[in-house]
Amino acid sequence: AQSVAQPEDQVNVAEGNPLTVKCTYSVSGNPYLFWYVQYPNRGLQFLLKYITGDNLVKGSYGFEAEFNKSQTSFHLKKPSALVSDSALYVCAQGSRSYSTLTFGKGTMLLVSP
Amino acid sequence: EAGVVQSPRYKIIEKKQPVAFWCNPISGHNTLYWYLQNLGQGPELLIRYENEEAVDDSQLPKDRFSAERLKGVDSTLKIQPAELGDSAVYLCASSPDRGSYNEQFFGPGTRLTVL
Repeated sequence: AQSVAQPEDQVNVAEGNPLTVKCTYSVSGNPYLFWYVQYPNRGLQFLLKYITGDNLVKGSYGFEAEFNKSQTSFHLKKPSALVSDSALYVCAQGSRSYSTLTFGKGTMLLVSP
Repeated sequence: EAGVVQSPRYKIIEKKQPVAFWCNPISGHNTLYWYLQNLGQGPELLIRYENEEAVDDSQLPKDRFSAERLKGVDSTLKIQPAELGDSAVYLCASSPDRGSYNEQFFGPGTRLTVL
């Protein structure tokens, strides 16, 4: 079975500082990995995905994520946080063996002015 | 391009009452998903449709939940009777086809409160 772990319920960072939101996955073979963002009272919005190729994936709003197979991680990063980045960030995985995505529980990012 | 449409956006009912949610996916998307999301948590799959066929409903509590996608386009999720623990956000998503390499497009959700 697939599983996705987001070890932090909440991440706090000051505006202008770099941010990292952690995600580890558990699937045999080659995973498909996703990051979604959810603002209050909104549905999830796609940020970026890793399917194959370059381990560093660039996505929307200046976010990027690095696929690390040896550590089974797919951490989300941004060089300089904005207050408007405050939201719930949800990691998800799929694979060729599974037709559905498994989502993590989410990490609330709070960026202070 | 219109996104995934869901209605209603909010619903408040008393326990034991029935409730229904409607979803219209993005045009041309064959795969439709219903998820349940509790506050501060990630989505949990309830049911997945490929066209009009429910291909994964293992997490759907079939004693009280039902869903349909009769013409392979829009879909309805029903709860009867609702319980207090059903209070959550119900998300609908769609994707072009069933491969999990596809990003899913989510609607805004229906927030259900059961009193």
